[in-house]
Amino acid sequence: LAKTTQPISMDSYEGQEVNITCSHNNIATNDYITWYQQFPSQGPRFIIQGYKTKVTNEVASLFIPADRKSSTLSLPRVSLSDTAVYYCLVGDGVTGGGNKLTFGTGTQLKVEL
Amino acid sequence: GAGVSQSPSNKVTEKGKDVELRCDPISGHTALYWYRQSLGQGLEFLIYFQGNSAPDKSGLPSDRFSAERTGGSVSTLTIQRTQQEDSAVYLCASSLAEGRGSGYTFGSGTRLTVV
Repeated sequence: LAKTTQPISMDSYEGQEVNITCSHNNIATNDYITWYQQFPSQGPRFIIQGYKTKVTNEVASLFIPADRKSSTLSLPRVSLSDTAVYYCLVGDGVTGGGNKLTFGTGTQLKVEL
Repeated sequence: GAGVSQSPSNKVTEKGKDVELRCDPISGHTALYWYRQSLGQGLEFLIYFQGNSAPDKSGLPSDRFSAERTGGSVSTLTIQRTQQEDSAVYLCASSLAEGRGSGYTFGSGTRLTVV
């Protein structure tokens, strides 16, 4: 399983764009990159998944360079409600990211007024 | 239902007692997972079920932990002779077998406190 490294915490203000970068130097050919969001007292929630280049949905964008050794989750114009822990996961895509995904401690994003 | 349902939402038990945690996955999801999350920590994989295949139990921390999935739907995680270190939030998730693009759907978890 590819190990991921991401910042422990980040601070931002409402209306700002937030970029969270995740390193995954030993990503395998079959691996997809998936990001989850977790609020206190809730289970993680799927945000976005990608394999290469750029993926965009109604919530976020995911940028993946050609070597795929890192990825950046971009949250446009964050609000207070985006305060949460964000997890970057890497695994094969057969079952939505792998059958034994390793969740690290994630990045605690704090958004202030 | 529309989401993954877990019960009970909270459970307080005495050390040494057995507990059963229940997970109702999304209808049609063939893959089901159990994770454990201790306070301030990431998620720890416990066990994985996929269809009729033998479950992947490699994450179970000890033989006091077991899980079953009946009829390819509801799953029960059983912890025997609970210890204080078992206190955590136990999360269940389900996904389509070919879940690429949608990931897992998690329940809200069962908060287990062993006193």
